[in-house]
Amino acid sequence: GAVVSQHPSRVICKSGTSVKIECRSLDFQATTMFWYRQFPKQSLMLMATSNEGSKATYEQGVEKDKFLINHASLTLSTLTVTSAHPEDSSFYICSAQSTDPTYEQYFGPGTRLTVT
Amino acid sequence: LAKTTQPISMDSYEGQEVNITCSHNNIATNDYITWYQQFPSQGPRFIIQGYKTKVTNEVASLFIPADRKSSTLSLPRVSLSDTAVYYCLVGPNYGGSQGNLIFGKGTKLSVKP
Repeated sequence: GAVVSQHPSRVICKSGTSVKIECRSLDFQATTMFWYRQFPKQSLMLMATSNEGSKATYEQGVEKDKFLINHASLTLSTLTVTSAHPEDSSFYICSAQSTDPTYEQYFGPGTRLTVT
Repeated sequence: LAKTTQPISMDSYEGQEVNITCSHNNIATNDYITWYQQFPSQGPRFIIQGYKTKVTNEVASLFIPADRKSSTLSLPRVSLSDTAVYYCLVGPNYGGSQGNLIFGKGTKLSVKP
């Protein structure tokens, strides 16, 4: 089956620094990738939709200047949390939508971000 | 996207059949129903998807009545490893891709020995 990877799986950073999270579709091409955030004991919240070669579409309430998304190729999207603060600590999950043949959406394993 | 309502939690024992019902009263004609499973600190995993009547795969069955205002995920003979959160999603497009997936609160299933 299709595999989506995320790197790193866990990251700890200091307040004020930036962190980049990678999302890769390993065996398929994905023109669209999605980024979610999940706080403890809560559901997934969609942050943004990332389309290859174009600007991401952010959900209401998500700061686009803080959460920078780049989708430069059909197999890679990155989420950069800029000037991270402790309240940004969360579980970040990406998903990739296959273009062939059924447009199924596959989720990555998630990245645990802790900002100290 | 249609809103969904599920029980917050359910308990079961190993070997039992578990049925989780999801209400989606405002489901649209072109909406499909998809269920995902999520273990702690992992991404969601696709379980099953359907439009009407019954769908069965190697891990679960999905029952959808004629009015499609609800659906029931059936897990046969659960084991401890089925302890997870189960999400019901409703939205357009077939093939598992429903564009922007909007997750509800999900149902936390606890399987006991």
